[in-house]
Amino acid sequence: SQQGEEDPQALSIQEGENATMNCSYKTSINNLQWYRQNSGRGLVHLILIRSNEREKHSGRLRVTLDTSKKSSSLLITASRAADTASYFCATGLKAAGNKLTFGGGTRVLVKP
Amino acid sequence: KAGVTQTPRYLIKTRGQQVTLSCSPISGHRSVSWYQQTPGQGLQFLFEYFSETQRNKGNFPGRFSGRQFSNSRSEMNVSTLELGDSALYLCASSSVDRGLGEKLFFGSGTQLSVL
Repeated sequence: SQQGEEDPQALSIQEGENATMNCSYKTSINNLQWYRQNSGRGLVHLILIRSNEREKHSGRLRVTLDTSKKSSSLLITASRAADTASYFCATGLKAAGNKLTFGGGTRVLVKP
Repeated sequence: KAGVTQTPRYLIKTRGQQVTLSCSPISGHRSVSWYQQTPGQGLQFLFEYFSETQRNKGNFPGRFSGRQFSNSRSEMNVSTLELGDSALYLCASSSVDRGLGEKLFFGSGTQLSVL
């Protein structure tokens, strides 16, 4: 079963626009992470936010975490064609080693 | 530093055969995890090894097994292959040893097709 559910499943935007995707999860977490995957390749870590943090920025990325609602959002500002990829949220639990539970992903298409 | 290396990149097998996939983590990383990715089930955790010991296991049948060597390299084995085992198998390593769900570095994966 998947801990995280992502919304929307797919997103199509123009270059320069912002892209927002959301992730909901079910249990208490230690941290929440976002990864990017290009076309069937490996995942690339984007950002990690811990359960005691509410917002984090990294370059054009902004992540929020609301533990009371068990949800997170990833915002990509000023999107580029190179941002076209699938984005996954993943949760880490305190008693689960380095096991991450991934959501179903959001496929983002950035049109030039 | 070299990234996580998985071999082979592609593999075609027939039902009933067995397969072994290999993963070399980033130098110095002692935690190695394996994930299966399929269009239907998404990314699912298989198991994690830390210092040659299995630290965590997902909900997969016993046909899926793994091991880790003293140099942290890891292998996973799938015996008696089924059509449903066709998937992208991803290996990931972590530099953090606290085991609290830390940042993972992924390899490019092995695409397994079972015919």
